[in-house]
Amino acid sequence: KAGVTQTPRYLIKTRGQQVTLSCSPISGHRSVSWYQQTPGQGLQFLFEYFSETQRNKGNFPGRFSGRQFSNSRSEMNVSTLELGDSALYLCASSLVRGTDTQYFGPGTRLTVL
Amino acid sequence: AQTVTQSQPEMSVQEAETVTLSCTYDTSESDYYLFWYKQPPSRQMILVIRQEAYKQQNATENRFSVNFQKAAKSFSLKISDSQLGDAAMYFCAYRRGDPTGANSKLTFGKGITLSVRP
Repeated sequence: KAGVTQTPRYLIKTRGQQVTLSCSPISGHRSVSWYQQTPGQGLQFLFEYFSETQRNKGNFPGRFSGRQFSNSRSEMNVSTLELGDSALYLCASSLVRGTDTQYFGPGTRLTVL
Repeated sequence: AQTVTQSQPEMSVQEAETVTLSCTYDTSESDYYLFWYKQPPSRQMILVIRQEAYKQQNATENRFSVNFQKAAKSFSLKISDSQLGDAAMYFCAYRRGDPTGANSKLTFGKGITLSVRP
């Protein structure tokens, strides 16, 4: 079974632009979570989607948003990019919510210049 | 709020030897799950092992085992017969148990970089 895939793998943007990252979960997985990884803050939870609805949200500004489609694929969007948004963005999927293990994709490396 | 602490930023082990990575956590919950994830230079986060808090038996996966001390809120990872491919960053993570599935958030420690000497 194919793992979690994320596209693109690398992105370079400039301040003020917006960006959309995509995540395709493992087949059959319905829950998708997003995390931001930076050297300073470590791994931080962004949000979780299940059945096309945002179920949980981390402590990030409204510039960070996302959505989930009926096939469980998810996108996250960051508007008005800031230098501090440079990070590795990881997507994780799980079969069901609550007790199931999350499996991670390879991440998207975003650099904001 | 739950916190996860990994106090050792770096560790080194000789190939074929055993190493233990430490993790402590703080929670007021009784139902939760603990995980160790490995992140090699490729940056892909890989699940190493998982422990349910309600299980007294320590989880084991091949060369990887944990020492779960619930009262002490300690969750260490032991890697036996270390291999060069074990070199990576290791993260300890916590998730609150919730039968309704309302909370799937993982809380991570800062990670520990493990190097393996040939």
